[in-house]
Amino acid sequence: QQQVKQSPQSLIVQKGGISIINCAYENTAFDYFPWYQQFPGKGPALLIAIRPDVSEKKEGRFTISFNKSAKQFSLHIMDSQPGDSATYFCAAGYSTLTFGKGTMLLVSP
Amino acid sequence: EAGVAQSPRYKIIEKRQSVAFWCNPISGHATLYWYQQILGQGPKLLIQFQNNGVVDDSQLPKDRFSAERLKGVDSTLKIQPAKLEDSAVYLCASSLSSVSSYNEQFFGPGTRLTVL
Repeated sequence: QQQVKQSPQSLIVQKGGISIINCAYENTAFDYFPWYQQFPGKGPALLIAIRPDVSEKKEGRFTISFNKSAKQFSLHIMDSQPGDSATYFCAAGYSTLTFGKGTMLLVSP
Repeated sequence: EAGVAQSPRYKIIEKRQSVAFWCNPISGHATLYWYQQILGQGPKLLIQFQNNGVVDDSQLPKDRFSAERLKGVDSTLKIQPAKLEDSAVYLCASSLSSVSSYNEQFFGPGTRLTVL
């Protein structure tokens, strides 16, 4: 199975700070890179996604940066809020997705 | 719009017993996925259906796991017999189609299985 490596495993950020989560993939055929947010007891929910023909995508406080040559992409959460505290998963693939292991984000008040 | 429904939400069984999970996808979604999420890890695809046909079951442990999607709507995932390492959350997801790669997958709340 093609791997998607995600870091860090956990992250603590102060309210108002910037949260940054990184992912790296191996398969150059992947052409869809979503980020999912998961709260305890819930299924993952799509947060934001990017295609490899753009280097950055922004939706509100959430930004994906994509580096095709390095096979890396990252999620930036600006002005992090306590309500952002959740587990975040990156994924990559085509019609099927390979998920990273997740990053547990805690935003302290 | 109703989301992906799954039942039961929780299940506790002893090893070597059998168990079944049910999923009802979002109406009109042709593609259905079953994932296994072990504590502390990301979801791992077990099987993908397009309507009632299997697209990918390469990671399904076929000696003990089986899944079906009759009539291209609801789906069931069965484990028989269960092992301790099957303890996990089983997530069902659906999407409009897997023909296009840019299709959002909508996840259900999952079934938490504990095997004792």
